[in-house]
Amino acid sequence: EAQVTQNPRYLITVTGKKLTVTCSQNMNHEYMSWYRQDPGLGLRQIYYSMNVEVTDKGDVPEGYKVSRKEKRNFPLILESPSPNQTSLYFCASSGSGGNIQYFGAGTRLSVL
Amino acid sequence: GQNIDQPTEMTATEGAIVQINCTYQTSGFNGLFWYQQHAGEAPTFLSYNVLDGLEEKGRFSSFLSRSKGYSYLLLKELQMKDSASYLCAVRDLRGNAGKSTFGDGTTLTVKP
Repeated sequence: EAQVTQNPRYLITVTGKKLTVTCSQNMNHEYMSWYRQDPGLGLRQIYYSMNVEVTDKGDVPEGYKVSRKEKRNFPLILESPSPNQTSLYFCASSGSGGNIQYFGAGTRLSVL
Repeated sequence: GQNIDQPTEMTATEGAIVQINCTYQTSGFNGLFWYQQHAGEAPTFLSYNVLDGLEEKGRFSSFLSRSKGYSYLLLKELQMKDSASYLCAVRDLRGNAGKSTFGDGTTLTVKP
């Protein structure tokens, strides 16, 4: 089954403790992206990647890192999480040209 | 950059037709997308327009006017399960990069 898989689905952590949210897709898609969704602010793009070893900042990249060492994986790294990064995070992927995006189920993160 | 506006909330009756409008401003337009998002779930793709005109897909249609920076999503024969948030998104192609911007979403409530 074609899918985008995020882990974990839920995470509660404390300020400053490094964490990684994994994202994997099995559709051989070139394009992958991370978003955060907050009430009243909609989906905001954090980082995106057009292909392996090619990443670029979205609208809200501060406090986040990404890497794209393999085509299928696009982890989101929070080196020192802060409470303002409490949010619902979605990973998405799309084929050549980056058109229709397929979203993972989401990761709900709480930073205390 | 990009700026996307859509109404925050709409209400309609089961069996009726509803039109959700979206206006956008972008520096490098490369397609407009509509996604549906049920509460607590991931967005799912509904429709895509890159050229002016109407795209029809069953009960859902989407229209685009690039000169006016305007799109709408038309939902016919509304069903209770259509109660969801509808997200308008614009792809921006600058250089070799692909950036996506989402509107804040329109929450549609379908009443019996």
